[in-house]
Amino acid sequence: GIQVEQSPPDLILQEGANSTLRCNFSDSVNNLQWFHQNPWGQLINLFYIPSGTKQNGRLSATTVATERYSLLYISSSQTTDSGVYFCAVGATGANSKLTFGKGITLSVRP
Amino acid sequence: NAGVTQTPKFRILKIGQSMTLQCTQDMNHNYMYWYRQDPGMGLKLIYYSVGAGITDKGEVPNGYNVSRSTTEDFPLRLELAAPSQTSVYFCASNKLGQGASRNTEAFFGQGTRLTVV
Repeated sequence: GIQVEQSPPDLILQEGANSTLRCNFSDSVNNLQWFHQNPWGQLINLFYIPSGTKQNGRLSATTVATERYSLLYISSSQTTDSGVYFCAVGATGANSKLTFGKGITLSVRP
Repeated sequence: NAGVTQTPKFRILKIGQSMTLQCTQDMNHNYMYWYRQDPGMGLKLIYYSVGAGITDKGEVPNGYNVSRSTTEDFPLRLELAAPSQTSVYFCASNKLGQGASRNTEAFFGQGTRLTVV
């Protein structure tokens, strides 16, 4: 099946700093989502981005499907950005099933 | 708009007991899924359904059963609970897409934290 690798596994930032989170995948996809898992365990949809670029406030994401990677940018980080960020992909023809990466743990210090 | 609703939020089971995790969605989505998340890991697919009456195994189906009698509901049954089933369980749904891109955005419930002792 499709493989999803996220990097770096852990990231510590000072409040106000910017960061880039990466997601590589091993096959063609027609679904890619970024989630934020908050300290209470909830999965929050950040972006549905199988290709192209999207922005939502301080967050933006870019997926280059032909090169099999996606990037999540966080600017002017805040302590509330802390948590785990997951990339999940749906392989082309795989009947909508999402395969998750192991996540990136982000800690933003005040 | 409730989205995907899971019950219960927390449960402690004794080894060998059985239980059903409930999941319902009000978005008229065709596809529904059950995932489990073990500590420090991503989510792994247990079972999924592409519509009422149709279910199929995911990556880690052993020890679980599902049914899909309606579009809205997709319960997950644990028979003979084991400590290895201690995990957080997530239900998700999305709708059938159109044309070349048949995948659409998936939405998740708030999770059920299950402990088997």
